[in-house]
Amino acid sequence: AQTVTQSQPEMSVQEAETVTLSCTYDTSESDYYLFWYKQPPSRQMILVIRQEAYKQQNATENRFSVNFQKAAKSFSLKISDSQLGDAAMYFCAYRGPKNYGGATNKLIFGTGTLLAVQP
Amino acid sequence: AAGVIQSPRHLIKEKRETATLKCYPIPRHDTVYWYQQGPGQDPQFLISFYEKMQSDKGSIPDRFSAQQFSDYHSELNMSSLELGDSALYFCASSLRLAGDTQYFGPGTRLTVL
Repeated sequence: AQTVTQSQPEMSVQEAETVTLSCTYDTSESDYYLFWYKQPPSRQMILVIRQEAYKQQNATENRFSVNFQKAAKSFSLKISDSQLGDAAMYFCAYRGPKNYGGATNKLIFGTGTLLAVQP
Repeated sequence: AAGVIQSPRHLIKEKRETATLKCYPIPRHDTVYWYQQGPGQDPQFLISFYEKMQSDKGSIPDRFSAQQFSDYHSELNMSSLELGDSALYFCASSLRLAGDTQYFGPGTRLTVL
């Protein structure tokens, strides 16, 4: 069974600084998808970034980028120029191979990392 | 851009009562997922539908049932509510051929007293 591990329950960063959140996962699949979702105090789940395992290039979205190490099964999120609005719980999530045969692929989440941004 | 709509946003029920949660996916999305997030927990997958057919099932209690209707909206029916059912229930939708990335609704906060 696939598992996702976030070993940092809490992290803190100064405004305008850079922070990296860690995520490791376990799977026997070669084709899969990885995501980072942000959950601010409003509890809304907001997609931050997505990575396809077959792509070697690391995904980037503005100030958010990932370091995807497929062999090490590692998927870390880097937030540059941290802003107060970045304070939230961040969940790493795994989804298996795309399946057109009817079955869907649920997201498997890690336990989350609570990020605090200090002014 | 249109997002996933969930109603109601908050629901308070007594033990042993019944609750119905509704989800309206992003227009043209063909897949709906339901997740349950307990206090301090990560979201746990309950059930999903693709083109109105149940496609996957997770740790959903037998007291819960769900369906997706012809207009693609989905309802999660919860009967014989227990205190432990108090949680945030998310609906997410995706478009299978567009990468199947799941976009979440704002959630329904269910409190069982």
